[in-house]
Parts: sequence; structure tokens; C-alpha cells
Amino acid sequence: AQSVTQLGSHVSVSEGALVLLRCNYSSSVPPYLFWYVQYPNQGLQLLLKYTSAATLVKGINGFEAEFKKSETSFHLTKPSAHMSDAAEYFCAVRPSGNDMRFGAGTRLTVKP
Amino acid sequence: NAGVTQTPKFRILKIGQSMTLQCTQDMNHNYMYWYRQDPGMGLKLIYYSVGAGITDKGEVPNGYNVSRSTTEDFPLRLELAAPSQTSVYFCASAEPGTGDTEAFFGQGTRLTVV
Repeated sequence: AQSVTQLGSHVSVSEGALVLLRCNYSSSVPPYLFWYVQYPNQGLQLLLKYTSAATLVKGINGFEAEFKKSETSFHLTKPSAHMSDAAEYFCAVRPSGNDMRFGAGTRLTVKP
Repeated sequence: NAGVTQTPKFRILKIGQSMTLQCTQDMNHNYMYWYRQDPGMGLKLIYYSVGAGITDKGEVPNGYNVSRSTTEDFPLRLELAAPSQTSVYFCASAEPGTGDTEAFFGQGTRLTVV
């Protein structure tokens, strides 16, 4: 079954530094991939999604992700971290179009 | 803009008790999901539904039941609560499609079984 693996359960960056959150997928065909963000005590909110229209996907709050088939990766980046970016981030895949499977999540801490 | 609404937000159950977590959506989505979230484990799919009258098991269905009598509602039933069911539960909905449609989430129900 298709799945995603997030490398690093915790990432800490300084304010203004580059944010890089890693996600690799397992699939023999390019899947539909998503990044969600979860702020404390809230539900999940979509950041961006890959649907094969473009390999570089721009999302909300200055985040973007690049789909790399050769590396089976869909890493999330942001050039300059803000304090408000502190949250948990989830990579997800829709294996069949019916259900959606999530990675274990990466908690991002932003230091002043 | 109600979106996906879950009730209750918090609940404490005793071992062996039963309860129903309610979920309703007003976006006319055919697909609905139940997930549980445990620390460091991400979200695990419990059950999902692709339309009224149709439900299917996800990754971790044991100890749970669902029904889907209407497009709007997708309740999750715990019959005999166990401490292992202490978790945060999320309901989500999505439009049908080829797989590129995102899921919309409720605010979650935090359940503690003691």
C-alpha cells in the first residue's frame, strides 16, 4: 500500500532561517501528495497539494514543496521561518482516491 | 462556514462504557473519514465512507463501528471503551475525485478512558 515517511519527528530552527521538512513516499506511480499543518489543539489545515500539474507547488503562509520522482520525495520548505510557523506538519498520500494516509508528523519549533 | 463539526470536544469514559462521537459536515461531500491521533504516530484511519450507506474499514477499525445514513453525518461508535482508545479523534470529509481533492478536518474530540 502507498505510504509516506517523514524524516525527523522534531525540527528546530531559528527565526529567519530556512525550514526544511522531509517526506518520502512509496509508490510505483506518482501519487497525490499533501502537506497539512496542525496548530495546538486544532484540526488539520491544508498547506498545499501535488496533483501532477507542476512539480513545484506553492502553498499558504509562504510554504512550498517540490515533487521529485527520482528521489520519491515531496519535501516542504520555507525560506524564512516565523514564530507563527511553530506547529506540527503532516505529509499525506491518497493511495486510491478513497482514503488518505498520513505520516507520523514533524513538530517544528522556531527559536527567537 | 461550519465545515466539519465534531461533538463533544472532550469526554472522559470509564472502562466498558460506550459512546458515540458525532460528526456532521455541510459541504455535501460524499467522502468522510474517522482518524485517531496518538503522539508520535500521526493519524491512523479507523473507518471511511464514500457515500450514504457505504462504509469500509481503515487501518485500525477494531473496537469501533460506524454508520452513514445521510450524506451529512458520520458517527463513530465505541461499544466497550478500553484505555487503548484514549486518543484524539478527528473526522474529515472530502469531495470524490481522482484523488487530488483535499480533506477538510473537524476540530477533534479528545477522549480519555479511565
